[in-house]
Amino acid sequence: GQNIDQPTEMTATEGAIVQINCTYQTSGFNGLFWYQQHAGEAPTFLSYNVLDGLEEKGRFSSFLSRSKGYSYLLLKELQMKDSASYLCAAVDSNYQLIWGAGTKLIIKP
Amino acid sequence: SQTIHQWPATLVQPVGSPLSLECTVEGTSNPNLYWYRQAAGRGLQLLFYSVGIGQISSEVPQNLSASRPQDRQFILSSKKLLLSDSGFYLCAWRTQGADTGELFFGEGSRLTVL
Repeated sequence: GQNIDQPTEMTATEGAIVQINCTYQTSGFNGLFWYQQHAGEAPTFLSYNVLDGLEEKGRFSSFLSRSKGYSYLLLKELQMKDSASYLCAAVDSNYQLIWGAGTKLIIKP
Repeated sequence: SQTIHQWPATLVQPVGSPLSLECTVEGTSNPNLYWYRQAAGRGLQLLFYSVGIGQISSEVPQNLSASRPQDRQFILSSKKLLLSDSGFYLCAWRTQGADTGELFFGEGSRLTVL
C-alpha cells in the first residue's frame, strides 16, 4: 500500500531551527510536495522536490533522498507566524498526490 | 492572476439533508479540478477530480457526487448526508497537463452534520 509518515506534532522556540521529517512509500514516485496550512485555512504551497538534494527558499529549505524514501522541511529563524500544520505529499506513478496527516508545529516565545 | 473560490465557508446540516458545495476558478482555462476532504488528524483524501466539462473521476465510493457543468465550475453534492460526511472540504485546481504542478486550493468549506 501507499503510505506517508510524518510526526503528529512538534514544538520549537521562536528564533530557533526545526526539521520536520517525512517518509513515504508509494507505487512509483514523481516528486514530493510540502504545503503549509494555518488552522481553518487552505494549504499553501511551500516546495516541490523531484531530484535528490536540498532546495533552499529563504528561511525554508526542503531535502529529498529518493533512495531512502525520505524528505525533510527545515525552517530557520522561526517566527510565531510559522505556527501551522505542515503537510507532506508524494506524487505516485499515476501523478496522484498521496498526503500525510500533517505535522502541527507549535512555536513558543 | 488566477483565483479560486468556494462556498459556503461553513455549514451545519442535519443527517439526511442534501448538500451542495460550489467552486469556481478564474483567470485560467481548462484547469484540472479536485475535491478533497480533510478529517481531523488525517491526510487530505481525494474525492473527485475532473480534467474537463462533464468528465468526473471518483476516487472513493460514497454518497457524494460531483459535477462540472462549466469549464471553471466544480460542484460537490449529496442527496442525503451522513454523520461521517462531516469534515473540511477543499476544492483545488492545477494547470491541465502539469502532472507535477502546484495545486492551488480554495478557502475550504467546514461541514458539520448533526
